[in-house]
Amino acid sequence: ETGVTQTPRHLVMGMTNKKSLKCEQHLGHNAMYWYKQSAKKPLELMFVYSLEERVENNSVPSRFSPECPNSSHLFLHLHTLQPEDSALYLCASSQGGARNEKLFFGSGTQLSVL
Amino acid sequence: LAKTTQPISMDSYEGQEVNITCSHNNIATNDYITWYQQFPSQGPRFIIQGYKTKVTNEVASLFIPADRKSSTLSLPRVSLSDTAVYYCLVGLTGRRALTFGSGTRLQVQP
Repeated sequence: ETGVTQTPRHLVMGMTNKKSLKCEQHLGHNAMYWYKQSAKKPLELMFVYSLEERVENNSVPSRFSPECPNSSHLFLHLHTLQPEDSALYLCASSQGGARNEKLFFGSGTQLSVL
Repeated sequence: LAKTTQPISMDSYEGQEVNITCSHNNIATNDYITWYQQFPSQGPRFIIQGYKTKVTNEVASLFIPADRKSSTLSLPRVSLSDTAVYYCLVGLTGRRALTFGSGTRLQVQP
């Protein structure tokens, strides 16, 4: 158990659906991240939040909309996705600002877009 | 942020020691070196972190030469359960997060 919980664990959705991924961290960290990992590919950084402020958006399509209501919770709202968006979506947190910063990941949401 | 280079894949047998080397020629003075392990369909897991010389924990050892332009993750007596992808990251600071590289896919055979 890493202290970062993601729900749901698996999600199947149609291209016209709207769904949300949820992430919660119990580590007292001040930074949270969304990563995408397509099959047999490296992790791609999507969004970074530091102290609830979005500080990085890696050219992610607008059909992905993040939300960070507080330092413990992070959401990824999904709408009108494409089949190529099928991937493992990983949430991570860290205590930002330290030179020896470490990332703690959740188990991910395996998303399938039909 | 420092770029890292690792072998794409490695093969080993149970009980052997495995050493995975990562090159990071443009590492900055304040950068730490961190290694993560990832199993299929799971998030990466922190293994070990170091700044210089040698660090050892219950899972692995990390060797860093004086110039810090490379580092070597050492896994003693691997087992089948060590089959995973191993990532080397350098310099995660504050608001700036690294994109993971391709990592090294370690396959342990019986």
